[in-house]
Amino acid sequence: AQTVTQSQPEMSVQEAETVTLSCTYDTSESDYYLFWYKQPPSRQMILVIRQEAYKQQNATENRFSVNFQKAAKSFSLKISDSQLGDAAMYFCAYRSPLYFGNEKLTFGTGTRLTIIP
Amino acid sequence: GAVVSQHPSWVICKSGTSVKIECRSLDFQATTMFWYRQFPKQSLMLMATSNEGSKATYEQGVEKDKFLINHASLTLSTLTVTSAHPEDSSFYICSASTGRGGGYTFGSGTRLTVV
Repeated sequence: AQTVTQSQPEMSVQEAETVTLSCTYDTSESDYYLFWYKQPPSRQMILVIRQEAYKQQNATENRFSVNFQKAAKSFSLKISDSQLGDAAMYFCAYRSPLYFGNEKLTFGTGTRLTIIP
Repeated sequence: GAVVSQHPSWVICKSGTSVKIECRSLDFQATTMFWYRQFPKQSLMLMATSNEGSKATYEQGVEKDKFLINHASLTLSTLTVTSAHPEDSSFYICSASTGRGGGYTFGSGTRLTVV
């Protein structure tokens, strides 16, 4: 079974600075999807960024980018120019490819990010 | 974008009663819906996977008779907590696959308090 590990329960960063959240995973599959989700105090899960394992290029969404190291099974999230609205719980998640017929997400334990004004 | 509407957002019920939570996909067809439970300051725990027109698949340790899931249409899935007890108090979230490059959309969650 796949497992997702987030080794940083809490992180903090000064506003406008850059922070990196770590995520590692374990799988025997060669093709899969990786996600970062944000859960603010409202508890609504919001997709931050998505990476397809067969793509070598790291995904980027505005101030959010990932460092995807497939061989190392690492998928870190970098937030640049941190803003107060970035304060949230961040979850890393893994999903098998569709053709396996199992679409469920496996979540990490989360990292609580605090933004210091 | 794809939206999943979840209701109610919060509910308080008496011990022994049943509570139904609904999740509707508003602008897409959700053939598969996922139901999660989240305890305070913890991650999401998958409870079950529901497929339209068939029985739900429950994760190990989840009581099928307590957490009834119905997915009668491509746009509606429901979770009924039967004979609720205080230990069932939690945050419940549904999610659906949009089928677009592996994306998922989540409902806004339901906070259940059993008194």
